[in-house]
Amino acid sequence: GENVEQHPSTLSVQEGDSAVIKCTYSDSASNYFPWYKQELGKRPQLIIDIRSNVGEKKDQRIAVTLNKTAKHFSLHITETQPEDSAVYFCAATISSGGYQKVTFGTGTKLQVIP
Amino acid sequence: SAVISQKPSRDICQRGTSLTIQCQVDSQVTMMFWYRQQPGQSLTLIATANQGSEATYESGFVIDKFPISRPNLTFSTLTVSNMSPEDSSIYLCSHGPSGSTDTQYFGPGTRLTVL
Repeated sequence: GENVEQHPSTLSVQEGDSAVIKCTYSDSASNYFPWYKQELGKRPQLIIDIRSNVGEKKDQRIAVTLNKTAKHFSLHITETQPEDSAVYFCAATISSGGYQKVTFGTGTKLQVIP
Repeated sequence: SAVISQKPSRDICQRGTSLTIQCQVDSQVTMMFWYRQQPGQSLTLIATANQGSEATYESGFVIDKFPISRPNLTFSTLTVSNMSPEDSSIYLCSHGPSGSTDTQYFGPGTRLTVL
């Protein structure tokens, strides 16, 4: 089955700096890669996603890159703010014709220091 | 995205008892999922529930312990049976692809404590 590794497990950055979280996956059938942000006591919320036919996607301060050949994808947060502090999960998804199987990474706890 | 609600939001239960968690989606969805999230951990898929068929369980989870119902396209229940303290966790439901999106959206979760 699919295996998703996520690094680092914890990350502390100064406010205004950039943060990068990296994930690798094993199953080449995975074709959709969402990133979720989970604040303490809250549900995971989608922040950005990318499909396998796209190499990069950006939404304001957040960007995701995907290297299908190497089977890795990364989340980039620029100009970090204290409200970016949360746990971030990557996921690799096989999604086709109504069938879906999602495998989550182990999570990265991001702390933005004011 | 569909709005997902769960009941109860939290509960404290005695060992040996069972708890049924309800998940309601405000639009019809084919696939619903049940996850467990232990403190400080990632999400672990318990089972996939499709309407009109038996739930599909992941390795390490069995129907006798976690029976699931999926009576229609907007509702599902997960029962945690014969509970022990090791079952203390957050249980989340989510729905799968709908319309043009592949994204899973999660319910608010049920925080279960077993004494």
